Amino acid sequence: DAGITQSPRYKITETGRQVTLMCHQTWSHSYMFWYRQDLGHGLRLIYYSAAADITDKGEVPDGYVVSRSKTENFPLTLESATRSQTSVYFCASGTDYEQYFGPGTRLTVT
Amino acid sequence: LAKTTQPISMDSYEGQEVNITCSHNNIATNDYITWYQQFPSQGPRFIIQGYKTKVTNEVASLFIPADRKSSTLSLPRVSLSDTAVYYCLAYNDMRFGAGTRLTVKP
Repeated sequence: DAGITQSPRYKITETGRQVTLMCHQTWSHSYMFWYRQDLGHGLRLIYYSAAADITDKGEVPDGYVVSRSKTENFPLTLESATRSQTSVYFCASGTDYEQYFGPGTRLTVT
Repeated sequence: LAKTTQPISMDSYEGQEVNITCSHNNIATNDYITWYQQFPSQGPRFIIQGYKTKVTNEVASLFIPADRKSSTLSLPRVSLSDTAVYYCLAYNDMRFGAGTRLTVKP
C-alpha cells in the first residue's frame, strides 16, 4: 500500500548505544523530514532532505545522523543515545507545500 | 525566520464555528502558510494551505490578509472529533510552533 511507514514503532535502548530509526515512503516525494516531539510539546525539526543525497540540518541536529541514498528511504541514526533523546520521532515526506507524516516511533533511552 | 505565534488553547462547543489565528510577522514573500491537525499518539495531518486571500476545502477555510502577517483557520460547525492540536507553519521555514489545543465540548 502507498504511504509512509516507520520502524520500529517502539524502541527501548540504553545510554550510549547506537540506534537507527527507519522511514520509508512510497509516493516518490522529493522532500523528507525528521521531527521529534517531546511530551506535551510541539514538533522540532531535526533534519530534512530535498532529494536523494541532499540533506540539511534543522533546529536540533546535534547527536543525530541522516542519510538518503534512495528517494524512498530516510533513516535517522542516534550515534550514542542519551536520555535527553527520549522522545517520539516522526518522519514525514512532502510535496512543495504539504507534508505527510508517519505514525511515529516512540524511543525511550534508559 | 517566520516564527509563528498561536493561542495555546481554545474551547468551543459542538456546532459552533471556530477561528484560530496565527501570527507570522516575518514570513518570506514566496512562502505558503499551511495548517496541520494532530490527535494524541498520531502524526500531524495536513489540513489546508494558502498564500493570500481565502482558500476553502471540504474541512476548513483559511483567510490570509493582504499583508500576510497573520492567517486564520476557520472550522465550521465543529464536533467532538475536532478536539486536537492545530499547528500553523510557514512551509519553507519548516518550524512548527507549540500549536493550539482545541477542546470541543458537548
